[in-house]
Amino acid sequence: EAEVAQSPRYKITEKSQAVAFWCDPISGHATLYWYRQILGQGPELLVQFQDESVVDDSQLPKDRFSAERLKGVDSTLKIQPAELGDSAMYLCASSLALTGTTDTQYFGPGTRLTVL
Amino acid sequence: SQQGEEDPQALSIQEGENATMNCSYKTSINNLQWYRQNSGRGLVHLILIRSNEREKHSGRLRVTLDTSKKSSSLLITASRAADTASYFCATDDYKLSFGAGTTVTVRA
Repeated sequence: EAEVAQSPRYKITEKSQAVAFWCDPISGHATLYWYRQILGQGPELLVQFQDESVVDDSQLPKDRFSAERLKGVDSTLKIQPAELGDSAMYLCASSLALTGTTDTQYFGPGTRLTVL
Repeated sequence: SQQGEEDPQALSIQEGENATMNCSYKTSINNLQWYRQNSGRGLVHLILIRSNEREKHSGRLRVTLDTSKKSSSLLITASRAADTASYFCATDDYKLSFGAGTTVTVRA
């Protein structure tokens, strides 16, 4: 069964350093999502792509976070510089749904970030 | 912002018992989805219920939706140790907004 791949699974960094996370969605899924999940809370959407275009980045802290999906397939989320409050699980998900429609989202295993 | 709120926050039951958790939300929705998350892992989709549906079943799972009360419930029947996980409702207006989840522990 096809899965969403993410790497790395774990990342420890010091504050003010740059970190990057990678996601490879299920083949054929046009929509890709990045979520942040703080311990004890539910996931919060950071950015949504349809193909290579950003559909929603209203909750993305744009002063330090950036995301791209250049060829409309895999995606990278970057944080520069990392802050202590960025410690969280970063989840990637993909879906067949196009903008304005709804469908199941398939989640990757996540990247757990610890900022020291 | 998180629209859905699950209740209870945590639930501990004996294997074989049923587990019920509730989700309340504030604004009108198109659909509502339930997901499960095993410790430290990604989320797995359980059920999507549309706003014009009142009840939906999938195996040992039963989901109800009451749009007049802005609430949903998830029932797991005949629980197993493997059902130990966190369960999240997500309101769906073409963008998912998750609650904080209910942590379910099934004791053998």
